[in-house]
Amino acid sequence: QQQVKQSPQSLIVQKGGISIINCAYENTAFDYFPWYQQFPGKGPALLIAIRPDVSEKKEGRFTISFNKSAKQFSLHIMDSQPGDSATYFCAASKGTGGGNKLTFGTGTQLKVEL
Amino acid sequence: DVKVTQSSRYLVKRTGEKVFLECVQDMDHENMFWYRQDPGLGLRLIYFSYDVKMKEKGDIPEGYSVSREKKERFSLILESASTNQTSMYLCASKASGRYEQYFGPGTRLTVT
Repeated sequence: QQQVKQSPQSLIVQKGGISIINCAYENTAFDYFPWYQQFPGKGPALLIAIRPDVSEKKEGRFTISFNKSAKQFSLHIMDSQPGDSATYFCAASKGTGGGNKLTFGTGTQLKVEL
Repeated sequence: DVKVTQSSRYLVKRTGEKVFLECVQDMDHENMFWYRQDPGLGLRLIYFSYDVKMKEKGDIPEGYSVSREKKERFSLILESASTNQTSMYLCASKASGRYEQYFGPGTRLTVT
């Protein structure tokens, strides 16, 4: 059972454009929603994360929009650059206890073209 | 900065071999995780540990075991490697009371 659904699977954006990746979750107990960025040959790196008590979080060109009622969250990359070309994963977890685990989406391959 | 290191970047093993993947973190984190990453499937949790000598099964533990004898080190063991265990293996660590998980660079394992 996939608890976090991510779309699209791949995305091509022109330099300077806005990249948008969407995720939907099922478990209403989730209370932490991170996005990870992964370059080829590297491990995923935490990019930005949000808790459900806010609807938006912005860090530089990266913004998470969160819709609790729809159980959806999305990553927006403003002014996309070729260096943003990577695979992006959304994830969700509940609590901070020792056993809390991340449930990942299936990933989005982003390519930013010149 | 949190640093999670994995013993090998690339590994090629034969079917039936016993395989050890090692992970070390330097931030005194209580919790450590092993994931495998496959195209189109994302990251799936194999095992995790919330304390020394403690372990819990994740979503896909079959064919794997783990060992955590020291706080900073978490090992993944493939008792008898099979071709369907060809994958990217990622280790992560997390401090208790915190949400953030930090990943190592991964080990790409090929079983022939």
